[in-house]
Order: sequence, then structure tokens, then C-alpha cells
Amino acid sequence: GNSVTQMEGPVTLSEEAFLTINCTYTATGYPSLFWYVQYPGEGLQLLLKATKADDKGSNKGFEATYRKETTSFHLEKGSVQVSDSAVYFCALSESLSGGSYIPTFGRGTSLIVHP
Amino acid sequence: NAGVTQTPKFRVLKTGQSMTLLCAQDMNHEYMYWYRQDPGMGLRLIHYSVGEGTTAKGEVPDGYNVSRLKKQNFLLGLESAAPSQTSVYFCASSRLSGGTNGELFFGEGSRLTVL
Repeated sequence: GNSVTQMEGPVTLSEEAFLTINCTYTATGYPSLFWYVQYPGEGLQLLLKATKADDKGSNKGFEATYRKETTSFHLEKGSVQVSDSAVYFCALSESLSGGSYIPTFGRGTSLIVHP
Repeated sequence: NAGVTQTPKFRVLKTGQSMTLLCAQDMNHEYMYWYRQDPGMGLRLIHYSVGEGTTAKGEVPDGYNVSRLKKQNFLLGLESAAPSQTSVYFCASSRLSGGTNGELFFGEGSRLTVL
């Protein structure tokens, strides 16, 4: 079956540091890949996505590139802010027969950014 | 824009009591999901529905029942609550197809404590 593996956290950084959160996946076909972010006390919200190989998703200074050859979708940001402190989830969604999508999530990586 | 609304937001139960969590979405989405989130475990799928009148088991369905009598509502029931069901529950919805590739829209969560 499908699976998503993320680096364990927490990741602790100082403001303006470079961020990388690793994500690798296993899928039988050609999934779409997502990063969701969960701020304290809130539900998850979509941060960025990529739907095919070599696509780059970007939003709010975050980027991730869909690498089919390494089955990876690592999240990066050049300069983090305190307000980026949150839990980040990597996920995939693969079209099943009949057009259904059942998403698979990683366990989440907590990011803590200090001033 | 209401999106996905969960009620109640907080609830405390005694072991053996029953309760129902309600999820409502106003985006006309075909798919709806119930997840639980526990520390270190990420998001785990309890049940999901691919359309009105249909439900299916996810990764951790035991102890829960669901119903999707109307397209916009997805109910999660606990018939006899146990302390192991203490968790934060998230409802999500998604479109069947049409370019979103399985992107999920989440509610704000319902925190349940079973004593």
C-alpha cells in the first residue's frame, strides 16, 4: 500500500535560518503530493501541492519539488519566521479505480522557530 | 465561507457514554473523512465516505460508527466511549475529481476526553 515517511521532529531553528523537512513516499501509481500545515489549535490547511513529476509547488516562501526518481517531496524555505512555527504534514493522494482519492499522511513534523 | 464545520469543539465523556460528532460542509464535496490525531501518531483515518449513503472503514475503525444520510453531513458516533478514544478528531472533505487531485479541506477539530 501507499505510505509517506517524514523526518521526525521537532525541528528547532532560529529566525531567518534555512528549513528543510524531508518527505519520501511509496505509491503504486502516480500520486499527487501535498504539504499541509497545522498551526496551534487549528485544523490542517493546504500549504502547497504538486500533481506530476518535476512540478514545483510553492506558497508563502515554501517550496517543494516532486522528484519521481527519488520518490521525494522535501519542503524548503530560505528564511523561516517565528510565525512559521507549526506542524507540517506531507501527504499523497492517488487516484484509484473509479476516480476516488484516498489520501495518505505522514506523521507530521513539528517546527519551532525561535526569535 | 463556512467550509467544514465540526460540532462540538470540546466534549468530556465518562467511560461507556455515547456521543455523536457532526461534520457539515457547504462546498458540495462528494468525499468526506474522519481522522483522529494523537501525539506521535499523526493523522489516522477512521472512516470515510465517497458519497451520500455510502461509508467505508479506514485504518482505525473499531469503536466508531458513521453515517452519511445527506451529502453535506458526515456523523461520527461513539456507542460506548473508552479512554483510548481520547483524541482530537478532524473531519475533512474533498471533491471527487476535477483538478483538485484529492486536496482535503479540514474542519477545526473536536477535542474529546474520555474519563
